[in-house]
Amino acid sequence: DSGVTQTPKHLITATGQRVTLRCSPRSGDLSVYWYQQSLDQGLQFLIQYYNGEERAKGNILERFSAQQFPDLHSELNLSSLELGDSALYFCASSADGFWTGELFFGEGSRLTVL
Amino acid sequence: AQRVTQPEKLLSVFKGAPVELKCNYSYSGSPELFWYVQYSRQRLQLLLRHISRESIKGFTADLNKGETSFHLKKPFAQEEDSAMYYCALREDQGGSEKLVFGKGTKLTVNP
Repeated sequence: DSGVTQTPKHLITATGQRVTLRCSPRSGDLSVYWYQQSLDQGLQFLIQYYNGEERAKGNILERFSAQQFPDLHSELNLSSLELGDSALYFCASSADGFWTGELFFGEGSRLTVL
Repeated sequence: AQRVTQPEKLLSVFKGAPVELKCNYSYSGSPELFWYVQYSRQRLQLLLRHISRESIKGFTADLNKGETSFHLKKPFAQEEDSAMYYCALREDQGGSEKLVFGKGTKLTVNP
């Protein structure tokens, strides 16, 4: 499958802990986007990387950070976890440029903080 | 401030009935809008974009700048249309773009 892949699919952890979510974009896509989906907030844009560099920032907490590596995969690091961080985290990628508006989404990583 | 509003969380219609999923937006520039869909156990995917003025799976959406709306319509709903539908607005942010999504509408088409 050459689509967007995200790992892990499910993650359960405790408050105060730190986790790393990983995303591999579609082959050839340079842009990676991270979104958070919680029950009442819908899809909230967190951050975008393009070819290794941060390109746009949304409602990302200071406890969260991300990076995109030379092989174009991306990681989202969530630290000092709180109950409210429980959500589905989506990664999406797009081809060079974004004007088509088409993002290709992964299946998401479901994070549960207990 | 909510930039994309989908007023209906849930929408239920019968097969063969017309369906309209509402989307309103607020944006100071020239808007570009999209509809994304997520079928059960599938990934979120692009359904259609307003600039293409296309009909996909029988769905159409017209951008109405006067009413700041981009409602999704289909004259005869099918059971396989049951899914979550998200309206999205492209926003420019300092030279880069992002998609801002509404909270989604869950459409159920009953037999």
